[in-house]
Amino acid sequence: AIRMTQSPSSLSASTGDRVTISCRASEGISGYLAWYQQKPGQAPKLLIYGASTLQSGVPSRFSGSGSGTAYTLTINSLQSEDFATYYCQQHYSYPRTFGQGTKVEFK
Amino acid sequence: QVQLVESGGGVVQPGRSLRLSCAASGFSFSTHGMHWVRQAPGKGLEWVAVIKNDGSFNYYSDSVKGRFTISRDNSKNTLYLEMNSLRAGDTAIYYCAKDLRGIDSPFDSWGQGTLVVVSS
Repeated sequence: AIRMTQSPSSLSASTGDRVTISCRASEGISGYLAWYQQKPGQAPKLLIYGASTLQSGVPSRFSGSGSGTAYTLTINSLQSEDFATYYCQQHYSYPRTFGQGTKVEFK
Repeated sequence: QVQLVESGGGVVQPGRSLRLSCAASGFSFSTHGMHWVRQAPGKGLEWVAVIKNDGSFNYYSDSVKGRFTISRDNSKNTLYLEMNSLRAGDTAIYYCAKDLRGIDSPFDSWGQGTLVVVSS
């Protein structure tokens, strides 16, 4: 199985900050990388897929980039509603695998 | 709008069985692959199983292979997960999710989850 490693595991930020979360795959996944946001008590929400395609309805302050084994989620001008846990997931092969999550907390 | 509603969770003893259901509405169920994903209390997301839109393909995580069976009834717009030989490590919220467009795509809609607790 492809192993997905996110960093950092948690970070503290303030509204208006630019936040970057990294995700590394144990082997190349050809851009088949998705990012999800999960708030406490809620199901995950798809933000980005195909490494950089914004899911319909997701604010443009979210962006994704990367290729091969290294990917990044960027949140420009962090808003209060963005404090949550973020997961990367490879949708390249089975079994599907997720990163361990990055919790974005208020500084 | 897309709705996925899981049911069937509860408290079960180790070694026993449980069947989860996921009722789908608001989209063409028979044209989308469906997945089960679980989340142990306070932990991250773990993918469990997938079934192709027509049921012709399925795949399982190593942690449930041989114990869990995913199935679907397209006439009832319902996804199932039959869980046998349950262990304490299977305790989690179980979510069903639909693929965006084909089984090589991510999950664009999720249910609210159903909690399974395996305990004596």
